[in-house]
Amino acid sequence: DAGVIQSPRHEVTEMGQEVTLRCKPISGHNSLFWYRQTMMRGLELLIYFNNNVPIDDSGMPEDRFSAKMPNASFSTLKIQPSEPRDSAVYFCASSSLGGPYEQYFGPGTRLTVT
Amino acid sequence: GENVEQHPSTLSVQEGDSAVIKCTYSDSASNYFPWYKQELGKRPQLIIDIRSNVGEKKDQRIAVTLNKTAKHFSLHITETQPEDSAVYFCAAISNDYKLSFGAGTTVTVRA
Repeated sequence: DAGVIQSPRHEVTEMGQEVTLRCKPISGHNSLFWYRQTMMRGLELLIYFNNNVPIDDSGMPEDRFSAKMPNASFSTLKIQPSEPRDSAVYFCASSSLGGPYEQYFGPGTRLTVT
Repeated sequence: GENVEQHPSTLSVQEGDSAVIKCTYSDSASNYFPWYKQELGKRPQLIIDIRSNVGEKKDQRIAVTLNKTAKHFSLHITETQPEDSAVYFCAAISNDYKLSFGAGTTVTVRA
Protein backbone atom coordinates (compact mmCIF):
# COMPACT_ATOMS: atom_id res chain seq x y z
CA ASP A 1 0.00 0.00 0.00
CA ALA A 2 1.41 3.38 -1.00
CA GLY A 3 -0.17 5.18 1.91
CA VAL A 4 -1.70 8.62 1.66
CA ILE A 5 -0.27 10.55 -1.26
CA GLN A 6 -0.05 14.32 -1.40
CA SER A 7 1.11 16.68 -4.08
CA PRO A 8 2.95 18.88 -4.47
CA ARG A 9 5.39 18.32 -1.60
CA HIS A 10 6.53 21.93 -1.72
CA GLU A 11 4.80 24.98 -3.11
CA VAL A 12 6.13 28.52 -3.26
CA THR A 13 3.77 31.15 -4.59
CA GLU A 14 3.21 34.85 -4.51
CA MET A 15 0.49 36.52 -2.52
CA GLY A 16 -2.76 36.66 -4.44
CA GLN A 17 -2.16 33.52 -6.46
CA GLU A 18 -4.39 30.47 -6.36
CA VAL A 19 -2.98 27.35 -4.71
CA THR A 20 -4.35 23.84 -5.10
CA LEU A 21 -3.21 20.98 -2.88
CA ARG A 22 -4.04 17.40 -3.76
CA CYS A 23 -4.55 14.22 -1.78
CA LYS A 24 -5.13 10.57 -2.55
CA PRO A 25 -6.29 8.61 0.49
CA ILE A 26 -5.43 5.01 1.27
CA SER A 27 -7.51 2.69 -0.86
CA GLY A 28 -10.57 1.52 1.06
CA HIS A 29 -10.54 4.39 3.53
CA ASN A 30 -13.73 6.42 3.44
CA SER A 31 -12.87 9.29 5.78
CA LEU A 32 -10.49 12.04 4.72
CA PHE A 33 -9.13 14.90 6.80
CA TRP A 34 -7.25 18.10 5.94
CA TYR A 35 -4.99 19.57 8.64
CA ARG A 36 -2.79 22.62 8.81
CA GLN A 37 0.31 22.75 11.01
CA THR A 38 2.14 25.86 12.14
CA MET A 39 4.44 26.58 15.04
CA MET A 40 1.98 29.06 16.49
CA ARG A 41 -1.25 27.07 16.21
CA GLY A 42 -0.07 23.46 16.12
CA LEU A 43 -2.14 20.88 14.25
CA GLU A 44 -5.53 22.24 13.22
CA LEU A 45 -8.31 20.27 11.56
CA LEU A 46 -9.62 22.27 8.62
CA ILE A 47 -12.28 19.98 7.17
CA TYR A 48 -13.17 16.32 6.93
CA PHE A 49 -15.19 14.15 4.60
CA ASN A 50 -17.05 10.88 5.15
CA ASN A 51 -17.89 8.94 1.98
CA ASN A 52 -16.90 12.00 -0.11
CA VAL A 53 -19.36 14.27 1.74
CA PRO A 54 -18.03 17.23 3.75
CA ILE A 55 -19.09 16.70 7.35
CA ASP A 56 -17.45 19.52 9.27
CA ASP A 57 -15.71 22.53 7.76
CA SER A 58 -15.75 24.64 10.90
CA GLY A 59 -11.96 24.69 10.91
CA MET A 60 -11.66 26.33 7.51
CA PRO A 61 -10.19 29.73 8.35
CA GLU A 62 -12.15 31.83 5.86
CA ASP A 63 -13.88 31.87 2.53
CA ARG A 64 -10.58 31.90 0.70
CA PHE A 65 -10.27 28.21 1.57
CA SER A 66 -12.35 25.54 -0.13
CA ALA A 67 -12.12 21.74 -0.33
CA LYS A 68 -13.67 19.14 -2.55
CA MET A 69 -13.76 15.38 -2.77
CA PRO A 70 -15.20 14.43 -6.16
CA ASN A 71 -14.60 10.72 -5.64
CA ALA A 72 -13.30 8.25 -3.08
CA SER A 73 -9.71 8.49 -4.28
CA PHE A 74 -9.11 12.21 -4.65
CA SER A 75 -9.49 15.44 -2.73
CA THR A 76 -8.32 19.01 -3.22
CA LEU A 77 -7.79 21.94 -0.91
CA LYS A 78 -7.78 25.29 -2.66
CA ILE A 79 -6.71 28.69 -1.40
CA GLN A 80 -7.74 31.66 -3.49
CA PRO A 81 -6.30 34.24 -3.13
CA SER A 82 -3.36 33.11 -1.04
CA GLU A 83 -1.80 35.28 1.68
CA PRO A 84 1.53 35.08 3.52
CA ARG A 85 -0.25 33.95 6.71
CA ASP A 86 -1.37 30.83 4.86
CA SER A 87 2.22 29.60 4.90
CA ALA A 88 2.19 26.27 6.73
CA VAL A 89 2.45 22.54 6.25
CA TYR A 90 -0.83 21.05 5.07
CA PHE A 91 -1.45 17.40 5.86
CA CYS A 92 -4.07 15.07 4.49
CA ALA A 93 -5.03 11.99 6.50
CA SER A 94 -7.41 9.10 5.94
CA SER A 95 -9.13 6.46 8.02
CA SER A 96 -11.96 3.93 7.94
CA LEU A 97 -15.33 5.32 8.93
CA GLY A 98 -16.79 3.31 11.76
CA GLY A 99 -13.44 1.97 12.88
CA PRO A 100 -10.71 1.29 13.36
CA TYR A 101 -10.17 4.97 13.98
CA GLU A 102 -6.50 5.15 13.18
CA GLN A 103 -5.73 8.12 10.95
CA TYR A 104 -2.79 7.82 8.60
CA PHE A 105 -1.12 11.01 7.49
CA GLY A 106 0.33 11.88 4.13
CA PRO A 107 3.80 13.43 3.82
CA GLY A 108 2.37 16.94 3.77
CA THR A 109 2.67 19.94 1.48
CA ARG A 110 4.89 22.75 2.67
CA LEU A 111 3.32 25.97 1.40
CA THR A 112 5.21 29.25 1.34
CA VAL A 113 3.38 32.38 0.26
CA THR A 114 5.63 35.37 -0.34
CA GLY B 1 -16.21 20.19 21.20
CA GLU B 2 -13.34 18.21 22.62
CA ASN B 3 -10.44 20.05 24.27
CA VAL B 4 -7.17 18.21 24.83
CA GLU B 5 -4.42 19.64 27.01
CA GLN B 6 -0.91 18.21 27.00
CA HIS B 7 1.99 18.61 29.44
CA PRO B 8 4.84 19.27 29.50
CA SER B 9 5.54 21.23 26.34
CA THR B 10 9.21 20.25 26.43
CA LEU B 11 10.95 17.33 28.08
CA SER B 12 14.66 16.60 28.26
CA VAL B 13 15.78 13.22 29.56
CA GLN B 14 19.05 11.37 29.88
CA GLU B 15 19.41 8.39 27.59
CA GLY B 16 18.15 5.31 29.38
CA ASP B 17 15.78 7.21 31.64
CA SER B 18 11.99 7.22 31.32
CA ALA B 19 9.80 9.92 29.81
CA VAL B 20 6.19 10.59 30.74
CA ILE B 21 3.75 12.84 28.89
CA LYS B 22 0.30 13.58 30.28
CA CYS B 23 -2.91 14.67 28.59
CA THR B 24 -6.38 15.57 29.76
CA TYR B 25 -9.57 15.71 27.75
CA SER B 26 -12.92 17.34 28.29
CA ASP B 27 -15.52 15.26 26.45
CA SER B 28 -16.58 12.23 28.48
CA ALA B 29 -17.90 10.65 25.26
CA SER B 30 -14.38 10.39 23.82
CA ASN B 31 -13.49 6.75 23.32
CA TYR B 32 -10.25 6.54 21.36
CA PHE B 33 -6.90 8.03 22.32
CA PRO B 34 -3.98 7.80 19.89
CA TRP B 35 -0.44 9.03 20.29
CA TYR B 36 1.56 10.35 17.36
CA LYS B 37 5.29 10.88 16.98
CA GLN B 38 6.53 13.53 14.58
CA GLU B 39 10.18 13.78 13.68
CA LEU B 40 11.51 17.01 12.26
CA GLY B 41 10.21 17.61 8.75
CA LYS B 42 8.18 14.39 8.75
CA ARG B 43 4.54 13.47 9.04
CA PRO B 44 2.87 12.53 12.35
CA GLN B 45 2.99 8.76 12.75
CA LEU B 46 0.77 6.71 15.00
CA ILE B 47 2.86 4.91 17.61
CA ILE B 48 0.26 3.55 20.01
CA ASP B 49 -3.40 4.00 20.85
CA ILE B 50 -5.86 3.01 23.55
CA ARG B 51 -9.60 2.61 23.56
CA SER B 52 -11.95 3.53 26.34
CA ASN B 53 -12.60 -0.04 27.41
CA VAL B 54 -8.94 -0.59 28.29
CA GLY B 55 -6.93 0.94 31.12
CA GLU B 56 -3.43 0.21 29.91
CA LYS B 57 -1.63 -0.91 26.77
CA LYS B 58 2.02 -1.68 26.20
CA ASP B 59 4.16 -2.10 23.11
CA GLN B 60 7.83 -2.81 23.83
CA ARG B 61 9.24 0.37 25.40
CA ILE B 62 6.10 2.46 25.16
CA ALA B 63 2.93 2.22 27.19
CA VAL B 64 -0.24 4.22 27.54
CA THR B 65 -2.57 4.45 30.51
CA LEU B 66 -6.10 5.79 30.57
CA ASN B 67 -8.14 7.01 33.53
CA LYS B 68 -11.66 7.63 32.25
CA THR B 69 -12.95 8.84 35.58
CA ALA B 70 -10.36 11.58 35.76
CA LYS B 71 -10.34 12.04 31.96
CA HIS B 72 -6.62 11.82 31.58
CA PHE B 73 -4.21 9.56 29.73
CA SER B 74 -0.45 9.27 29.65
CA LEU B 75 2.39 8.06 27.45
CA HIS B 76 5.33 6.33 29.07
CA ILE B 77 8.61 5.71 27.25
CA THR B 78 11.12 3.55 29.10
CA GLU B 79 14.84 3.14 28.41
CA THR B 80 14.84 6.18 26.16
CA GLN B 81 17.16 6.25 23.16
CA PRO B 82 18.34 9.13 20.95
CA GLU B 83 15.90 8.08 18.22
CA ASP B 84 13.04 8.77 20.63
CA SER B 85 13.78 12.50 20.24
CA ALA B 86 10.75 13.98 18.47
CA VAL B 87 7.52 15.85 19.05
CA TYR B 88 4.77 13.70 20.55
CA PHE B 89 1.09 14.53 20.21
CA CYS B 90 -1.78 13.06 22.14
CA ALA B 91 -5.27 13.13 20.69
CA ALA B 92 -8.82 12.16 21.50
CA ILE B 93 -11.72 11.23 19.26
CA SER B 94 -15.36 11.46 20.10
CA ASN B 95 -18.52 10.35 18.35
CA ASP B 96 -17.99 12.84 15.55
CA TYR B 97 -14.80 11.05 14.40
CA LYS B 98 -12.80 14.27 14.75
CA LEU B 99 -9.36 13.97 16.28
CA SER B 100 -8.59 16.76 18.72
CA PHE B 101 -4.84 17.10 19.24
CA GLY B 102 -2.84 18.30 22.17
CA ALA B 103 -0.28 21.04 21.59
CA GLY B 104 2.62 18.59 21.49
CA THR B 105 5.63 17.73 23.66
CA THR B 106 9.15 18.14 22.32
CA VAL B 107 11.20 15.29 23.75
CA THR B 108 14.98 15.50 23.68
CA VAL B 109 17.02 12.49 24.72
CA ARG B 110 20.51 13.48 25.85
CA ALA B 111 23.27 11.00 25.04
